[in-house]
Parts: sequence; structure tokens; C-alpha cells
Amino acid sequence: GVTQSPTHLIKTRGQQVTLRCSSQSGHNTVSWYQQALGQGPQFIFQYYREEENGRGNFPPRFSGLQFPNDSSELNVNALELDDSALYLCASSLAVGSGYTFGSGTRLTVV
Amino acid sequence: AQSVTQLGSHVSVSEGALVLLRCNYSSSVPPYLFWYVQYPNQGLQLLLKYTTGATLVKGINGFEAEFKKSETSFHLTKPSAHMSDAAEYFCAVRSSGANSKLTFGKGITLSVRP
Repeated sequence: GVTQSPTHLIKTRGQQVTLRCSSQSGHNTVSWYQQALGQGPQFIFQYYREEENGRGNFPPRFSGLQFPNDSSELNVNALELDDSALYLCASSLAVGSGYTFGSGTRLTVV
Repeated sequence: AQSVTQLGSHVSVSEGALVLLRCNYSSSVPPYLFWYVQYPNQGLQLLLKYTTGATLVKGINGFEAEFKKSETSFHLTKPSAHMSDAAEYFCAVRSSGANSKLTFGKGITLSVRP
């Protein structure tokens, strides 16, 4: 499956954070989503074979990386209080095959 | 552009009763449609998906959904609710392009009364 670390994180406004994800083996597409409390997940960006190939309505301080070993990162700079959310990583083998989601990282910005 | 509308934020049913969760979508191209379930403090689990072919799709835990193009709907049903079905349910749409994304609805909380 998809594993994410850490499960919970508390950061101070203005700090930087890196969230990590290990995709399901063989999946070449990974996406990151932000889920605020009581809302549906919102698309941040997607990587295909280590290149970003889609981005949602998030500012440039949200960035990512995908590595050849089925792992990926989400980096957020200059944290704001509104960045507090559950961050979900999802991997996919192919278009239409459905995404496999991790359990998420709960980020709290104080 | 694509979007998903899930009417109502909360549905309550009695154990053993029919579950019906509504989902309407908007997509400029033939869509792929998904239902996910989320239990408290967990990630999303795929219940079922429609890509092409048969419009009645069966998923896990006894759930099924029917793709109706004319109504742009993909409602989720289960004949008999179980207490363990209590969770948050999300409908999502994805276009068929290679760099497409999942667009989610706001979700519906399903409560099951004993």
C-alpha cells in the first residue's frame, strides 16, 4: 500500500515542513491532496515519472519531489495557520485505475 | 473543468435500511467516477469505480453505483445498512487525460442508527 510519515506534526507559523510518502510498488504516478476539516480533499499537484504534470490552485510555497524508488515528498514553506489540514498522498498505476491513498499526515500550524 | 456535487452533508439511516448517497458530476469529457470511504482519522479507501463498460458497478462491502450519463449522476446504494458503514463518503471525478486529477465532492457523513 501507500505509507506516509509522520502521522502527526505540529509546526509554528513561518516554519517549513517536509511530508513523506512511499507509493505502492510499481505505481508511477503520485498525487498530493490537502483535506481541511469537514471538507473534501483538494488537489495540490501530481507527479508522473519524477516530473510534475498537474497542479491545483496552491501557491508556489507548496512544492514536491518524486524519486525513482517509489517515494515522494511534499514541502511547504512559510507555513500559515490555514495550512493546518490532513495531507494525503495517493499513487496510481495508470489513468482510470483508481488511486490508492495513504492514511495521511495531520499537520497543525500554531 | 470538472466538478462534483454531493447533496446534503449528513444522511442518517436505520440499521438494515437502504442507503442512498447522491452524487452529480460535471465533466467536459467522458469521466471516470469513484466513490471513496473515510473512517475517522484514516485515509481514503476505494469503494468502487466506473471507467467504461457496464454502467452498474459493484464494489466492496455490498455497495454499488450506477452511472447515468443522461442525468450526470453516480449515486451510491447499499440494500441494507450495517453499523460498520458509518463513515464519510466522497464521490470523485477524473477525466481521462494523462495528467488529470481527482476532483472530490464535499463528502457525506453517513450515520447508522441501531
